[in-house]
Amino acid sequence: GAVVSQHPSWVICKSGTSVKIECRSLDFQATTMFWYRQFPKQSLMLMATSNEGSKATYEQGVEKDKFLINHASLTLSTLTVTSAHPEDSSFYICSARGELAGVYEQYFGPGTRLTVT
Amino acid sequence: GESVGLHLPTLSVQEGDNSIINCAYSNSASDYFIWYKQESGKGPQFIIDIRSNMDKRQGQRVTVLLNKTVKHLSLQIAATQPGDSAVYFCAEKGTGGGNKLTFGTGTQLKVEL
Repeated sequence: GAVVSQHPSWVICKSGTSVKIECRSLDFQATTMFWYRQFPKQSLMLMATSNEGSKATYEQGVEKDKFLINHASLTLSTLTVTSAHPEDSSFYICSARGELAGVYEQYFGPGTRLTVT
Repeated sequence: GESVGLHLPTLSVQEGDNSIINCAYSNSASDYFIWYKQESGKGPQFIIDIRSNMDKRQGQRVTVLLNKTVKHLSLQIAATQPGDSAVYFCAEKGTGGGNKLTFGTGTQLKVEL
C-alpha cells in the first residue's frame, strides 16, 4: 500500500488565488521531505527540501515566497502555491525520506495535479 | 552543469520481448542510482537501485547495469508485459548536495501486443 499520501489529488483554482497541497508519510516518520514539479512529458524537477522544524531549502530559480513550504511534523509537509497563475499549472509530487520496516528510503507520493485558470 | 540524461525518448517493444532502457550521467561523484517507473498521472515507483561499487544488480524480471567508465546506466526488463508500459526515469544521488535525487529526462516504454 501507499506509504506517502497527497491531498488533494487534483485541484482547479482561479488565477490569483492560493492553493495548499498536503503530503503525509504513513506509518513512518519522515525526517526529510522533498517537493518536485513535473510539467507534461518532462522530468521531475526538485523545488525544495525540507527538514522537520526548520526552514526549507529551495533550489535555484524557485521563489520561496511563492511556494511556501511548511514541515511542521515528522509526518506532514505542506506546499502552498501563493497567487497562482496559469504557468504554475503542473503536477506536484512530494517525497518523504525516513525509515520504514528497517529500510531507510525515499518514498514518493501519488502527485497533485494543479490547474490554474 | 551536472545532469542525468537518456538516449531514447520513446521505446516500443513487442510483448514478450526484452526491453533495454539507457541512461547517461555526467556526475562522476554519483554513488547511488535508482530506476523509477511512472505511470500516467501517478508518482514515481521504485524499481531497482544500484550503488557505485557494483556493476550489476538483478531483481524480479529487471536488471540494472552500471558502467562507471563511460558513465552509463541501463535497465533491462525481461519478457516485457503490457503492464510495463510507462515512463522510466533514472535518478542519481551524489555524495554532496544534501543527498538530493537528480532525475533524467525519461523514456516512454510502449509495449505492443
